[in-house]
Amino acid sequence: AQSVTQLDSHVSVSEGTPVLLRCNYSSSYSPSLFWYVQHPNKGLQLLLKYTSAATLVKGINGFEAEFKKSETSFHLTKPSAHMSDAAEYFCVVSDQPGTYKYIFGTGTRLKVLA
Amino acid sequence: GAGVSQSPRYKVAKRGQDVALRCDPISGHVSLFWYQQALGQGPEFLTYFQNEAQLDKSGLPSDRFFAERPEGSVSTLKIQRTQQEDSAVYLCASSFPTSGSYEQYFGPGTRLTVT
Repeated sequence: AQSVTQLDSHVSVSEGTPVLLRCNYSSSYSPSLFWYVQHPNKGLQLLLKYTSAATLVKGINGFEAEFKKSETSFHLTKPSAHMSDAAEYFCVVSDQPGTYKYIFGTGTRLKVLA
Repeated sequence: GAGVSQSPRYKVAKRGQDVALRCDPISGHVSLFWYQQALGQGPEFLTYFQNEAQLDKSGLPSDRFFAERPEGSVSTLKIQRTQQEDSAVYLCASSFPTSGSYEQYFGPGTRLTVT
């Protein structure tokens, strides 16, 4: 069965410093992987997706992630954190082809310090 | 264009009451999903529709949960005889699967509180 593990439930960074949110996945198939962001009282917004094209994926707001099959990882990074990046981030793996239902990680809450 | 909308945004129900949650997907989206997000957790899959057909309901936690999408557009998630453990945010998502791209677009959710 497919699963994702987000290794940190909380991450704190200072404004202007790099962000690293870690995600490991398990999949019996060639996976599709996503990162979503959830701001308080807002819907989930897609940051970026990997669907077996380029392993380095660029998303919105300066975020990017690298698919590493040998490490079964899909970590999310950003070179310089902004106050507006404070939110909950979810790593997602898509279930086997046919239903495309999502399997979510437990989330990482990012705090950005002034 | 309009995104996925859900109503009501907030619902308070007394234990034992029935509730109905509505989802309006993006126009033309074939696939529709319902997820349940408990406080402090990631969303968990409930059920999936392709057009009007409910192809997967493996995530529905009990037979008190029922979902429909009769005309392949608007969907309703119904919970009968609500229990306190049903308190959660219910998220709806839609997508238009094409080769290599099937991201889901989420609505703002309905926060259900059972008292």
